[in-house]
Amino acid sequence: KQEVTQIPAALSVPEGENLVLNCSFTDSAIYNLQWFRQDPGKGLTSLLLIQSSQREQTSGRLNASLDKSSGRSTLYIAASQPGDSATYLCAVTRHSGGGADGLTFGKGTHLIIQP
Amino acid sequence: GAGVSQSPRYKVTKRGQDVALRCDPISGHVSLYWYRQALGQGPEFLTYFNYEAQQDKSGLPNDRFSAERPEGSISTLTIQRTEQRDSAMYRCASSSSAYEQYFGPGTRLTVT
Repeated sequence: KQEVTQIPAALSVPEGENLVLNCSFTDSAIYNLQWFRQDPGKGLTSLLLIQSSQREQTSGRLNASLDKSSGRSTLYIAASQPGDSATYLCAVTRHSGGGADGLTFGKGTHLIIQP
Repeated sequence: GAGVSQSPRYKVTKRGQDVALRCDPISGHVSLYWYRQALGQGPEFLTYFNYEAQQDKSGLPNDRFSAERPEGSISTLTIQRTEQRDSAMYRCASSSSAYEQYFGPGTRLTVT
């Protein structure tokens, strides 16, 4: 059974710092990996999707990398801002005959950026 | 364009009652997924559909839970004889062939 672990569980840093969130998964037979952002009491916003054949994806100040063989992904946030404060969730899926299976999520990293 | 919508946004029901939660996916999205999220946890997969076919229901906790998507668009998750442990946020997501999943706002279910 796939298990996803996110480290650290919580992180508080001053504004402007670059930071790295870590995600690991136990079964390397994934189809893709997706990073989400969740604000308190709100829904999930997709940030980046990395296909299993890819090594990284970038969107603005965000960069996500994937090392499928070692079962790891990192989300790099450059020049952090208070608006980046949220919970960041990592999730993986397998490929099934009909498409992508359901996502298996980690518990998330709760990020606070201090002004 | 319009995103994934879910209704109702909040549902309070008494133990033993049946509830039906609705999900309207992004237009044209082939796949539709249901998840349940407890406070402080990541979402937990329940079931998913490609078009109208239910592909995987291995995450449904027991036979009180069922889902359908009869015309390959709107989906309903039904919980029969609700129990307090069913209280959670129920989330729906949809995806196209690109497989990136987009989530709706969720339905907060409270069983009293």
